[in-house]
Amino acid sequence: GAVVSQHPSWVICKSGTSVKIECRSLDFQATTMFWYRQFPKQSLMLMATSNEGSKATYEQGVEKDKFLINHASLTLSTLTVTSAHPEDSSFYICSARRVEDNSPLHFGNGTRLTVT
Amino acid sequence: AQSVTQPDIHITVSEGASLELRCNYSYGATPYLFWYVQSPGQGLQLLLKYFSGDTLVQGIKGFEAEFKRSQSSFNLRKPSVHWSDAAEYFCAVGPLAGTASKLTFGTGTRLQVTL
Repeated sequence: GAVVSQHPSWVICKSGTSVKIECRSLDFQATTMFWYRQFPKQSLMLMATSNEGSKATYEQGVEKDKFLINHASLTLSTLTVTSAHPEDSSFYICSARRVEDNSPLHFGNGTRLTVT
Repeated sequence: AQSVTQPDIHITVSEGASLELRCNYSYGATPYLFWYVQSPGQGLQLLLKYFSGDTLVQGIKGFEAEFKRSQSSFNLRKPSVHWSDAAEYFCAVGPLAGTASKLTFGTGTRLQVTL
């Protein structure tokens, strides 16, 4: 079946630094990937839609300059949290869907970001 | 705008008992409905989905869900719960047009299983 790999699974960084999170579709091509953010004991909130070869589409209220998304290939999207602050600490999850059929979204295992 | 409501934040059931998790949706067109399960610190795993056809859908791990258009509901059921089913369950609704598959998630229901 389709698998989405997310790396790293957890990361701790200092305030002001940047962190990059990778999302890979391992056995299928994904022209579109989605980045979600999940606060403790809350639901997933869509942050942005990552489009291969073009600019990402951000949801209302999400700072595009803070959450940089790059979708350089059909199997890789990256989310970079720039100048991280403690309030950026969260669980970030990516998802992708196989283009060829009507399969549902497949999710990565998430990245736990802690900014100190 | 599409929305999903999961009325129960937390449910506790005994192992072996039956389970029903509620999900109500609001969507302008024919909905595509999903149930996902999330273990602590993990991503989401798809349990089952409804696109069209038979309104009773079977999923993995013995779960099933029934789509009721008249009630705008898509409740998840399992006849006999196992301790390993303890997790967070999310209902989601979304379109499946082209490559755009943005999902709207409910707030989740945390299932606790007592032995």
